[in-house]
Amino acid sequence: DSGVTQTPKHLITATGQRVTLRCSPRSGDLSVYWYQQSLDQGLQFLIQYYNGEERAKGNILERFSAQQFPDLHSELNLSSLELGDSALYFCASSRDRGGEQYFGPGTRLTVT
Amino acid sequence: AQSVTQLGSHVSVSEGALVLLRCNYSSSVPPYLFWYVQYPNQGLQLLLKYTSAATLVKGINGFEAEFKKSETSFHLTKPSAHMSDAAEYFCAVTPTPNYGGSQGNLIFGKGTKLSVKP
Repeated sequence: DSGVTQTPKHLITATGQRVTLRCSPRSGDLSVYWYQQSLDQGLQFLIQYYNGEERAKGNILERFSAQQFPDLHSELNLSSLELGDSALYFCASSRDRGGEQYFGPGTRLTVT
Repeated sequence: AQSVTQLGSHVSVSEGALVLLRCNYSSSVPPYLFWYVQYPNQGLQLLLKYTSAATLVKGINGFEAEFKKSETSFHLTKPSAHMSDAAEYFCAVTPTPNYGGSQGNLIFGKGTKLSVKP
């Protein structure tokens, strides 16, 4: 158990819908990272927050957004969902930038 | 910019044989390098990391990796494979903190699936 929790574990929704994925980092970790894992794209970095502020953006679509709350949990919002958004979404946390990242179990999103 | 290439999407070894998973990186600044393992239907678990200290890094479950700057490589090895090592392995790179505003986000390779035959 990495200490990072993600909910829900599975999510099935229809095209055009909006979903919210939730992540709670390890106790004491200030950085939260979101990654997407798909068969064709592999593991891709989406976005990073540090102590409530956005710090880095990767290959994140405009339809996707995230935030980190004062209690340091983070949410990833995916809207206008398309079939191609079906993937595993991982959250990871670290003490600070460059530190080792601990991954949650992931949320498997299926868009039908 | 950083990138990672993992040679061989599938590697098969016999139980007790040497495991060698290859990783080459590209980085314009000194890198931090990591190996993660992913078991089916699970998240990623950190095996080991290189953060500019010793070039030979020992990790969990008997794995180790050697950072070779001249070859831009960070290959993962284990002297004797066990059935429980069957999983997918990912090599990742990030710029050393304080270089170019790095925030530590990881760039992953495509992964190598390791099969272990009895």
